[in-house]
Amino acid sequence: EAQVTQNPRYLITVTGKKLTVTCSQNMNHEYMSWYRQDPGLGLRQIYYSMNVEVTDKGDVPEGYKVSRKEKRNFPLILESPSPNQTSLYFCASSDYLAGEQFFGPGTRLTVL
Amino acid sequence: AQKITQTQPGMFVQEKEAVTLDCTYDTSDPSYGLFWYKQPSSGEMIFLIYQGSYDQQNATEGRYSLNFQKARKSANLVISASQLGDSAMYFCAMRGSRGGGSNYKLTFGKGTLLTVNP
Repeated sequence: EAQVTQNPRYLITVTGKKLTVTCSQNMNHEYMSWYRQDPGLGLRQIYYSMNVEVTDKGDVPEGYKVSRKEKRNFPLILESPSPNQTSLYFCASSDYLAGEQFFGPGTRLTVL
Repeated sequence: AQKITQTQPGMFVQEKEAVTLDCTYDTSDPSYGLFWYKQPSSGEMIFLIYQGSYDQQNATEGRYSLNFQKARKSANLVISASQLGDSAMYFCAMRGSRGGGSNYKLTFGKGTLLTVNP
């Protein structure tokens, strides 16, 4: 089954404790990206990647890191999480020459 | 810079009627793609429809159609024969392209909450 998986689905952590949210897709897609969704703000792109070792900043990259060492994986790293990073995070992938983005189920992160 | 504007925070429609959700955009990219997504209360993001900036015809997918007016920079979503299950948040989004500075960045609007009344 074609899908994007994210782990964990829910995470409560404390300020400053490094964390990684994993994202994996099984569709051989080149384009992958991370979004955060906050009430009243819609989805905002954090980082995106057009292929292995090619990443670029979205609209809200501050406080986040990404890497794309393999085509299927695109982890999101928060080196020192802060409460303002409490949000719902989505990973997505697409064949960027086509249209549809496939979204993961979301990760709800709370930073205390 | 890319920008997507959805001016309707909330919309109401009677079951079986048609509804139009507005979306306007701004970009300097020579080509771009426009998307609509649905997010029900369960939280998942569901792709509805896609329109490329050079597509000659408006996109349609079942009960969904995209009213693309390039000169006016609008990409409104039309849902025909609304159903109760259409109640959800709807997001318009745009992906840029190389050449205009956006470099394939994807920008979402803030969304429109559609409520279908029985």
